[in-house]
Amino acid sequence: QQQVKQSPQSLIVQKGGISIINCAYENTAFDYFPWYQQFPGKGPALLIAIRPDVSEKKEGRFTISFNKSAKQFSLHIMDSQPGDSATYFCAARKPYGGSQGNLIFGKGTKLSVKP
Amino acid sequence: DAGVIQSPRHEVTEMGQEVTLRCKPISGHNSLFWYRQTMMRGLELLIYFNNNVPIDDSGMPEDRFSAKMPNASFSTLKIQPSEPRDSAVYFCASSPYEGAHEQYFGPGTRLTVT
Repeated sequence: QQQVKQSPQSLIVQKGGISIINCAYENTAFDYFPWYQQFPGKGPALLIAIRPDVSEKKEGRFTISFNKSAKQFSLHIMDSQPGDSATYFCAARKPYGGSQGNLIFGKGTKLSVKP
Repeated sequence: DAGVIQSPRHEVTEMGQEVTLRCKPISGHNSLFWYRQTMMRGLELLIYFNNNVPIDDSGMPEDRFSAKMPNASFSTLKIQPSEPRDSAVYFCASSPYEGAHEQYFGPGTRLTVT
């Protein structure tokens, strides 16, 4: 119930295309859903995040779509660029309690954007 | 701000040796996290501290792993004795306060145990 399932494991997109990464969760008590971006040799960095009371959040070319009833959320990268090539992790935050603030991460999606 | 600092960046050691990884969180941050990243298991939380106190160490794989935070600006993760299956990238992250939305990750330590 604490897992976050992410797909696909890897994704190849042409420059200018749309990249879509999906995540699903079970625990309805999760209260925050961030996406992290990780470049090779670097640590993950927060890209964009959404709360469960919002269905969509957009920041530039990056959009999170959130479906509370289906317990799914996805990251859309519009006009994908070679510089977007990285590994993307979805995550969910445990609610307040014994381990407040802990993030449960998906296993990651390696995105390659071909020029 | 220098961000989260980790050392060493790379560590190669032989099975059975003690390994100590170090982390300096962002100044003023009260929460510190240690993660392990492998291809098979992804990013796993090992332990986290709040105000230098360990809050949740349920992710620590076994007694060979230990972590300390003697003060607000320094933490260590120790593996003794190390085993080949400990080979992974270990990340330290910090956040301004317990339950904060964002965690700031360091560059990681790549550990190889032969």
